Amino acid sequence: DVKVTQSSRYLVKRTGEKVFLECVQDMDHENMFWYRQDPGLGLRLIYFSYDVKMKEKGDIPEGYSVSREKKERFSLILESASTNQTSMYLCATRQGSNSPLHFGNGTRLTVT
Amino acid sequence: EDQVTQSPEALRLQEGESSSLNCSYTVSGLRGLFWYRQDPGKGPEFLFTLYSAGEEKEKERLKATLTKKESFLHITAPKPEDSATYLCAVQAANYGQNFVFGPGTRLSVLP
Repeated sequence: DVKVTQSSRYLVKRTGEKVFLECVQDMDHENMFWYRQDPGLGLRLIYFSYDVKMKEKGDIPEGYSVSREKKERFSLILESASTNQTSMYLCATRQGSNSPLHFGNGTRLTVT
Repeated sequence: EDQVTQSPEALRLQEGESSSLNCSYTVSGLRGLFWYRQDPGKGPEFLFTLYSAGEEKEKERLKATLTKKESFLHITAPKPEDSATYLCAVQAANYGQNFVFGPGTRLSVLP
């Protein structure tokens, strides 16, 4: 089974802080994704990466950046956290272009 | 505009009462339709992939079917542990790696 591990289940940060969300996968998948999930808005893609050091913007990249220095690790960075970034953040991986996404258990971030 | 809708928004069933959830999509060049189950506070768990109209997949009490415009998730004789939010997502030719997710159906199965 694919295992996608997100380093924190819950985080509370203050406005203006720099926040790092970490995601590690154990299946050697090339593609990794960061989504956020909000009530009434569903899952929205922030960024994805199809290879080490490669990244593509998703639908809502503003206020976020990503880093992929190793194949198994994909980090989401909030440069200066704001209250509208309070959300559930989900990391996912996939093996190939027609295969499903496999999700981690999420990080619930609260920015106060 | 490409979109994915799901109905009903919420569904309450008695244990053993079979029903179906609907996922309707309007996309060009469907490459795959995916069903997920999501428990509160957890990430979505993959259930099925359907690639072409007429295809069916089954797993325990769940059966997913696909037509050219919609997919159904049939739940036969549900149990309380089937309570969750069920999400569908589509991948289309012009989305690249992105998926479009539906809003989900919250299913509650009462004992």
